Parts: sequence; structure tokens; C-alpha cells
Amino acid sequence: QAVVTQEPSLTVSPGGTVTLTCGSSTGAVTTSHYAYWFHQKPGQAPTTLIYDTKYRHSWTPARFSGSLLGGKAALTLSGAQPEDEADYYCLLSYNGARVFGGGTKLTVL
Amino acid sequence: EVQLVESGGGLIQPGGSLRLSCVASGFTFSNYWMHWVRQAPGKGLVWVSRINSDGTTTTYADSVKGRFTISRDNAKNTLYLQMNSLRADDTAVYYCVRDPPVDYWGQGTLVTVSA
Repeated sequence: QAVVTQEPSLTVSPGGTVTLTCGSSTGAVTTSHYAYWFHQKPGQAPTTLIYDTKYRHSWTPARFSGSLLGGKAALTLSGAQPEDEADYYCLLSYNGARVFGGGTKLTVL
Repeated sequence: EVQLVESGGGLIQPGGSLRLSCVASGFTFSNYWMHWVRQAPGKGLVWVSRINSDGTTTTYADSVKGRFTISRDNAKNTLYLQMNSLRADDTAVYYCVRDPPVDYWGQGTLVTVSA
């Protein structure tokens, strides 16, 4: 099965902007991978932020946006808040199977 | 309100079997695909399996293929995961997740495989 890669950790200042990326061992990530983004805080179940590359759920703050960037899926957080500190995971689809990335630990400091 | 409630986890010896359940409410269960996702203690999320809305199509991660079976009973609004030949590295919290799109997650049930 494919391997999905994410930055292990990133730091952003409060109010700052950060981009997390999600790459695929099989090549460029496209809209056919239907990229998803989730975040998870300690002791909680994950929460879905973005689906199908760029669509926000009704509960997703507008400061989160999804896109394709340089052959990868990307999650951009604009105007980081202290409550955005969490683990972030991407998920890609491969002809029915799904593969998560290893996760990015985002620190807001 | 959409709710997904997992159950069936617990302590099981290596080589044993366990069946997880996920009861859905607040939506038309038979209209949605469903997934199982797991997370070992202190580790990342791992996709395990998915099933289509009428139960006729299933897909598995290589790590569980041949050992785990996903199924559903739409009359009971319930998703299942039958886990056989359990190993220590199957120890994890198991979540059920609704799709499409992947949106709601249950709170998870912990499976511990240990002698």
C-alpha cells in the first residue's frame, strides 16, 4: 500500500499562518485522492476539518483551507489560535483503500 | 444529532477473537458507507476497513486482510468488525466513521491484546 507523508512537527505563532502538506509515495496528489484533513486533541476523537481536497464542514472554522500545492495536498491555517494546537492528519484515497499520513504535531507558540 | 457508539472492546489474549459493534443514530444508516479506523496508544491514525452502504463491497488494509471482517446490519443500524487471530500490534482504540464525506466519528473502543 501507498505511504502518505506529513511533516512530523510544525510551530506557528499566534495569529500567524502555517501550511501543512500531505504527499503520496505513488506520485502527485490529485483531486482523485479526495484528500481529507483531521485534527485531534489529547484524549479526544479526531474531528474532520476538510474533505475532497478543499471543502470545509459546517463546523470547520474559516481560518482553515485545503488545496493542492506542488503535487501535495495542503492545509493552510491563517490566523492561528491557541486552540488550534493539536495533531493533524491527512487521509488519501487509493481506489477504495484509504491511507493516513503519520500526522503533524502543530504547536502554537 | 448524529451519533456513533462503539462497543465490544476489552482485554483479549493473542490469537483470540473479538467482535466490535458501532450503533448509529440520527441519520439514515443505510445511505452511508462506513469505516473502521484504529489508533495504537500514543501513535497515529490507521485506516482499517470500509464497507459500502448495502454491505456488498468491502476493502481492507493489508495489515488486517484475512483476519478481520467488516459487516453491517442496516435493519439494526449497526456496523461490525470481527477480529480474529489477534496480535499484540492490534492493540488500539477502534473508531467507526461515517462516509461520504468522512465526517462523524465515534468516541472509540479500546482493544488490548496481551497475555
